Amino acid sequence: EVQLVQSGAEVKKPGESLRISCKASGYSFTSSWITWVRQMPGKGLEWMGRIDPSDSYSDYSPSSEGHITISVDGSINTAYLQWSSLKASDTAIYYCARHGGGVSGTYYFDPWGQGTPVTVSS
Amino acid sequence: QSALTQPASVSGSPGQSITISCTGTSSDIGNYKYVSWYQQHPGKAPKLMIYDVSDRPSGVSNRFSGSKSGNTASLTISGLRAEDEADYYCSSYTTTNTLVLFGGGTKVTVL
Repeated sequence: EVQLVQSGAEVKKPGESLRISCKASGYSFTSSWITWVRQMPGKGLEWMGRIDPSDSYSDYSPSSEGHITISVDGSINTAYLQWSSLKASDTAIYYCARHGGGVSGTYYFDPWGQGTPVTVSS
Repeated sequence: QSALTQPASVSGSPGQSITISCTGTSSDIGNYKYVSWYQQHPGKAPKLMIYDVSDRPSGVSNRFSGSKSGNTASLTISGLRAEDEADYYCSSYTTTNTLVLFGGGTKVTVL
């Protein structure tokens, strides 16, 4: 079974750093891109960026560029989403998802991780 | 880049059919087959329902179907059931300065 399991909920203060994880299993990790999606409280889905685990090449949305870093550790089939300085506006649920079909170059997401709630508050 | 445009809410009675629209531009929906639809129940992760405009993943009911005309994609749910009550999001590849766009989401209510 293809599965993405994310790390647990986080509570941080503004200015702190954070890295959340997404561990993949059930498929060849380097065969499909991983995407990260944000969902702010009561709001819709927002694409943040994606990474190709085969070469670590990444793309970011304009609103995410420079504020987050997406990375992978192929030795443990895990993708990461990282902030160096959190803001209160980063409070959201963050989902990782595999680009579907088991190959790179697709633009649909299946499956999704269970989500990691992040709360940033002083 | 603005999100794709979806109606905020759509409702129907059990057994009826409903259609959710998703309007984009020639930079996304209009010129590419990379439209997908996701169902999200409260407190749950999104679930893929339709990909590449009209393909249905294994395990998704054939009551769900997708189509596209010009810059607008549509998701139709036929034989509406109580368990279909959820939020639905469309998504598309885009050639603008981001790779993927989502719609704002549509809340489906089963009356």
